[in-house]
Parts: sequence; structure tokens; C-alpha cells
Amino acid sequence: EIVLTQSPGTLSLSPGERATLSCRASQSVSSSYLAWYQQKPGQAPRLLIYGASSRATGIPDRFSGSGSGTDFTLTISRLEPEDFAVYYCQQYGSSPETFGQGTKVEIK
Amino acid sequence: QVQLVQSGAEVKKPGASVKVSCKASGYTFTGYYMHWVRQAPGQGLEWMGWINPNSGGTNYAQKFQGRVTMTRDTSISTAYMELSRLRSDDTAVYYCARDLAGVAGLWGRGTLVTVSS
Repeated sequence: EIVLTQSPGTLSLSPGERATLSCRASQSVSSSYLAWYQQKPGQAPRLLIYGASSRATGIPDRFSGSGSGTDFTLTISRLEPEDFAVYYCQQYGSSPETFGQGTKVEIK
Repeated sequence: QVQLVQSGAEVKKPGASVKVSCKASGYTFTGYYMHWVRQAPGQGLEWMGWINPNSGGTNYAQKFQGRVTMTRDTSISTAYMELSRLRSDDTAVYYCARDLAGVAGLWGRGTLVTVSS
């Protein structure tokens, strides 16, 4: 099973700042099958990025994904108030699909 | 519009089974895999598996093998996830999600299943 480790656990930033979230895999993620989700309290997760760098429909271009192999990054170029949430990465290249433990982006 | 409507909250005793439904609308039900993911209170996300609504084929996480059954009824565009031999640590919100390029692209609102004696 591929273990995904996200860092940092919590990121304290102000609106307008840049957020950089990391997701490291215990082994290579095949074909960059890496996704990112956003989850707000009391809501279902929302898909942001799939295939490591492809934005899902309707996702603003301030969200971008990059990386390959074992190291992946989600970048939010300028934080908007609605971006403060928990973010999860997921690998879906090998079974079982696994999620990271999440990074909380909070208002500083 | 594309929508997934899940069944309501359930309270079950340890050892019982629960069956959660997920009714799809706004798209061709048989054209997209359906994923199931759960989230224990205050915890992260856990992938349970998926079903191909067209063929009925399934892929379950090994952790749930023997306890989970995913089925579908194409006549009413509904997917089901049944979990048996429930334990207290199965208490969670269970989500269905329509596939997008291999991932959970569009999520239902979730169904809270509470296991308690």
C-alpha cells in the first residue's frame, strides 16, 4: 500500500498570500495518478486536481498541481477567503487507493 | 444538473449490516464508475472501492473484503454500498462519488452511519 504523507499539518496564512502544500508518497505513483481535494467543515470533499496537474471543471486557475514520482505539490497562488479549508491528496495509480492525512489551511 | 442523492442517516448495533443508497441523476448512470469513500468523525478520508454500473464489476479495498458489497440497480440509476458485521469503528460518513478520469469527481452529501450498542 502506498502511504501518502502531507506537510505541513497546518498552514497559517493571510488572504492574498501564496500557499504551498506537499504530498510525498512512500513509493512512486504510477502515471502521476495523484489528485487533490478541498474539504470545508460539514461538506463533502471537492475535487480540485487530477492527474497531478489537471484542474477539474470550474476550479479557479489560482489552484495548480505539480510533481511526479513521489513528490507532489498543490499551490494556491493567492489565497481567497473561501480557500481556507482542509486539503487532501490521493493516489489512484495502485490499489488500494490511498489518501494523505490532510493539510489544514487556516487564517493567520 | 448532475446530482447524487444519498439515503438518510442510520443507527445500527454492532454486528448488524447497513445498506447505503446513492441515486444518480443528470447523466447516464452506466457511463461512469461510482466510488465509495468514508470519513470517521474528525478523521481523514478512506477509500472503500468502486463499482462499474455498466457491468457490475467491483474493486474493493482489501481492508473491507468480505464485509463490503457494492451493487447497482440500473433501472433506477442507484448504487448501493452494504457493509456487514459492523463495529464501533465503522461509525463514519459514507460518501458516494461519480468517477472523473479515475478519481472521485462529483460527490454526494454523505450518509452518517452510527454504530452503537
